[in-house]
Amino acid sequence: AQSVTQLGSHVSVSEGALVLLRCNYSSSVPPYLFWYVQYPNQGLQLLLKYTSAATLVKGINGFEAEFKKSETSFHLTKPSAHMSDAAEYFCAVSGAHGANSKLTFGKGITLSVRP
Amino acid sequence: GAVVSQHPSWVICKSGTSVKIECRSLDFQATTMFWYRQFPKQSLMLMATSNEGSKATYEQGVEKDKFLINHASLTLSTLTVTSAHPEDSSFYICSARDVAQVYGYTFGSGTRLTVV
Repeated sequence: AQSVTQLGSHVSVSEGALVLLRCNYSSSVPPYLFWYVQYPNQGLQLLLKYTSAATLVKGINGFEAEFKKSETSFHLTKPSAHMSDAAEYFCAVSGAHGANSKLTFGKGITLSVRP
Repeated sequence: GAVVSQHPSWVICKSGTSVKIECRSLDFQATTMFWYRQFPKQSLMLMATSNEGSKATYEQGVEKDKFLINHASLTLSTLTVTSAHPEDSSFYICSARDVAQVYGYTFGSGTRLTVV
């Protein structure tokens, strides 16, 4: 079984500041980990994913995340926030193997960016 | 990249009627499709997993007779909300996973269902 914990429900940063969104996972098998972004009334867009290759994963829009097995974490960062980054962010985990592997989502974090 | 098209984007229907939502993978073959429901300010709740040519697997607590899922081809899955009631109003999102698992999970743009 897999689960994801995203602590807090809302993060607010100033434009140009560092963005850090936390994600901790629990998995009984080697996990695949994902970060998705959702804008209002839209589906989910993949930011990046970890699939057991490099532990530091670079994604779109300047985001990156580091897989730390010892800490069971996969935190999302961006060096400099932009107004367009304001959205809902979801961390998710899957059991990696098989087409039927389900994604299990965290509860999401709302990112606000102040001018 | 992989694209999943979901239609309609929004729909309003009367209580007691049925609504069909389509999910198509446009440039890849989807062995498996997933249907989620999302309430305002909440995460995605998996409703069911469908595989082409076989019956969908529903999550615990999801009424299979109310939420009919058909996955007739490798590029199309449909969700039909039968005898809709106001409590079925929600945002429904589909996701597709490609046969080769190259693209991972690709999501549709979602459907806002309002039952009046």
